[in-house]
Amino acid sequence: EAGVAQSPRYKIIEKRQSVAFWCNPISGHATLYWYQQILGQGPKLLIQFQNNGVVDDSQLPKDRFSAERLKGVDSTLKIQPAKLEDSAVYLCASSPGQNTGELFFGEGSRLTVL
Amino acid sequence: AQRVTQPEKLLSVFKGAPVELKCNYSYSGSPELFWYVQYSRQRLQLLLRHISRESIKGFTADLNKGETSFHLKKPFAQEEDSAMYYCALMSGGFKTIFGAGTRLFVKA
Repeated sequence: EAGVAQSPRYKIIEKRQSVAFWCNPISGHATLYWYQQILGQGPKLLIQFQNNGVVDDSQLPKDRFSAERLKGVDSTLKIQPAKLEDSAVYLCASSPGQNTGELFFGEGSRLTVL
Repeated sequence: AQRVTQPEKLLSVFKGAPVELKCNYSYSGSPELFWYVQYSRQRLQLLLRHISRESIKGFTADLNKGETSFHLKKPFAQEEDSAMYYCALMSGGFKTIFGAGTRLFVKA
C-alpha cells in the first residue's frame, strides 16, 4: 500500500513569510497527526484529526499556525507569519484509529526560516 | 500531564554487547506504550508495542507500571541496530506523544 505522502520535502523562507505543507494519509486511515520536530528533539504533537474533526490542538500556536483536513482525507498545515524558531521538520502521520495505535509516518517536510 | 522521558541522548555500545534504552512515562490512566525507530535516511516506523509482548529484531520491552518504565532491551547489539529510538505513549483518543529520543551507536 502507498505510504503517507508529504510535500514539499524542503522549504526555505524568510521570517514573516508564509508556508504551507500538504499531507496525504494512507487510504482509509481516520486519524491524522501533525508533529513538529526541532533538531535534537522528539516529535511534538501539534494537532490531531479524527476524520475531519479536530481531536487535539492544544499545542498548536494558533496565532500563526493553522491546519485543516477537508473531507477527512488530505490535510494542510500553514504557518503565517513564520518565525526563526519554526525551523523544524514537520511530520505527518496517520493511523487506522482502531485496534492498533500504530502511527504511519511520512518522510517529513523540512522548513528553514532565515 | 502526560510525559515521556528518555534520559540518554546517546548510547554507544560494541557489537555483541547488551543494550538497554531507558524510557519512563507519566500518565494517570492506563497507557499504551510503543517504541519507534528511525534508521538513517528512512522514515520513523514502529518497532514494537507493549500490548503485543513480541520480540522484533531481537528487541523486547516490558511495561513496569510500578516504576512507570518501558525500557527497550536487546541481548546482543548488531551494527544495523544503529538508529534513533523514540519511546511513545498513547492515551485516550489515540493521542500519541514522544520522548526526546536516544541515538544508539553500535561500534564494530
